[in-house]
Amino acid sequence: DQQVKQNSPSLSVQEGRISILNCDYTNSMFDYFLWYKKYPAEGPTFLISISSIKDKNEDGRFTVFLNKSAKHLSLHIVPSQPGDSAVYFCAASLGRGSTLGRLYFGRGTQLTVWP
Amino acid sequence: EPEVTQTPSHQVTQMGQEVILRCVPISNHLYFYWYRQILGQKVEFLVSFYNNEISEKSEIFDDQFSVERPDGSNFTLKIRSTKLEDSAMYFCASSMVTEQFFGPGTRLTVL
Repeated sequence: DQQVKQNSPSLSVQEGRISILNCDYTNSMFDYFLWYKKYPAEGPTFLISISSIKDKNEDGRFTVFLNKSAKHLSLHIVPSQPGDSAVYFCAASLGRGSTLGRLYFGRGTQLTVWP
Repeated sequence: EPEVTQTPSHQVTQMGQEVILRCVPISNHLYFYWYRQILGQKVEFLVSFYNNEISEKSEIFDDQFSVERPDGSNFTLKIRSTKLEDSAMYFCASSMVTEQFFGPGTRLTVL
């Protein structure tokens, strides 16, 4: 199942700079996308989401961009902080009816923010 | 802030034994899910549950798995006869409409 891909297993960024995490998908029927952050020994924590009818959604330091024609989304974190160091998962859903169906996850990108 | 809780945090069992993983979803949520993550692999969907019945299940969710909401607060995943390959982190999630919120997981180790 390779419907959601995160091709960079790791990313290292200096504190204060921008972190850009990328995600590609193959199923054009996906209509809702989410980013989760995961620390070791914890469950995924919801960060931000975007519907396919939008191309940008912003929440504080986090912005998600969606390029439907390229089947690509990205998460921007500005400014990056050491506490942002975690694994970031991209997830997609077919958005069944009035609620989300199953989530399809990427493999995750380990973000390390160094001082 | 409301959160999804899961017990136990770690379960060790012998192959062939039955295990029950427990979850308490966020109280006003209506949709419930189980996912698992085998070490080094993706988080994979197992099953979703709404209105006291399964709404969707994956190819992984075969006859050895079952889910139940025995009362108004708990949501359980039962694995009837565990196999070595069932060793994984099992995550419960719940949602009201859109975003799914995950619990901390139960690490299942099958020996």
